[in-house]
Amino acid sequence: DAGVTQSPTHLIKTRGQQVTLRCSPKSGHDTVSWYQQALGQGPQFIFQYYEEEERQRGNFPDRFSGHQYPNYSSELNVNALLLGDSALYLCASSPIPGTGVPDTQYFGPGTRLTVL
Amino acid sequence: GQNIDQPTEMTATEGAIVQINCTYQTSGFNGLFWYQQHAGEAPTFLSYNVLDGLEEKGRFSSFLSRSKGYSYLLLKELQMKDSASYLCAVKPLGGKLIFGQGTELSVKP
Repeated sequence: DAGVTQSPTHLIKTRGQQVTLRCSPKSGHDTVSWYQQALGQGPQFIFQYYEEEERQRGNFPDRFSGHQYPNYSSELNVNALLLGDSALYLCASSPIPGTGVPDTQYFGPGTRLTVL
Repeated sequence: GQNIDQPTEMTATEGAIVQINCTYQTSGFNGLFWYQQHAGEAPTFLSYNVLDGLEEKGRFSSFLSRSKGYSYLLLKELQMKDSASYLCAVKPLGGKLIFGQGTELSVKP
């Protein structure tokens, strides 16, 4: 049973560029959330996708956008990259209601983004 | 506002017991989670509390008091591999999961 997968594992970009990160949820999960984790901090919620729509959003600017596909996989797009966007970006999926502990996040390995 | 507090760092000895505390202030409450995160890896789910009391799972136990806005994670028979960051996360009513900054636990021989 494959867990949450993310690609790429590492990425280096320069200021002003755009980046797309990808995530495939754990089998049996239909909800995908994205988090940003700075060094030494806990994950910060970016947004959550369910049924191909953004359902909840954290305090992140519109430069951060996403998408969910019919197979539940998801993308995180960040435009006009800033130095402060350097972080570990985590994707998490959660189980279909009634099939596990509600709202439990199962995290992927993350994408380490460095903005120079 | 919404706030979660946990100690930044703790050190303990192999074989000992350690308790990591977490206090929270959120707009409503719909569950508290503990996650373990080894350096350079993703967080992994440890425990979930939604009602007051103690939940035991092997060497790990988690306690919740909703009236006090307080939880702790208890690790028994510490092993070197338990060295990691431990994240407390709270789910407010109708809101997104909020994580604390994490407690970096170092287990020494």
